[in-house]
Amino acid sequence: GDSVTQMEGPVTLSEEAFLTINCTYTATGYPSLFWYVQYPGEGLQLLLKATKADDKGSNKGFEATYRKETTSFHLEKGSVQVSDSAVYFCALSPSGTYKYIFGTGTRLKVLA
Amino acid sequence: GAVVSQHPSWVICKSGTSVKIECRSLDFQATTMFWYRQFPKQSLMLMATSNEGSKATYEQGVEKDKFLINHASLTLSTLTVTSAHPEDSSFYICSARDSAGALSYNEQFFGPGTRLTVL
Repeated sequence: GDSVTQMEGPVTLSEEAFLTINCTYTATGYPSLFWYVQYPGEGLQLLLKATKADDKGSNKGFEATYRKETTSFHLEKGSVQVSDSAVYFCALSPSGTYKYIFGTGTRLKVLA
Repeated sequence: GAVVSQHPSWVICKSGTSVKIECRSLDFQATTMFWYRQFPKQSLMLMATSNEGSKATYEQGVEKDKFLINHASLTLSTLTVTSAHPEDSSFYICSARDSAGALSYNEQFFGPGTRLTVL
């Protein structure tokens, strides 16, 4: 079945460091791909999305590119801030459905 | 726009009692809402898909008699945990999809979650 695999955390970085959180998926057809962020004590917020191959989603300095050939959607940010500390979830929505399948989440901690 | 609320934000109940959690789409109509369960430091597990005016569709392994879902209007879905036990303690999150299509295709909008603690 369809699935999402995320790198295990926690990831601890110093402020202004470069961030990569890996996400790979297994799905038939062309799913939509998403990154959500969950700040402590809050619900999930959409960070960015991509709906077709080679699309690049970007928001708040974060970006991810839909790579069909490697079935990946890695999240990157050039310079993280303390305020980016949160849990990041990669998710896919299979073609023809509105369901989401989430990865296990990656906790990011940014130190000042 | 695209705000989803949940009520209550947290609830503590005694074992054997039932608890109702509400999920509302505040500024859009949602024929489809989803209920998730999130265990500490783990991912979200889809429990069921709630369809306005019809029965919910439950994922494999989720007891439909234990987790009753009602979606009586285009802006409200409720999840009732019946005869709750300590193992039902969890963070329950709902999401909604804009049925009119005015908002982003295929995107779900998430509520802030409800933390249930069963003593």
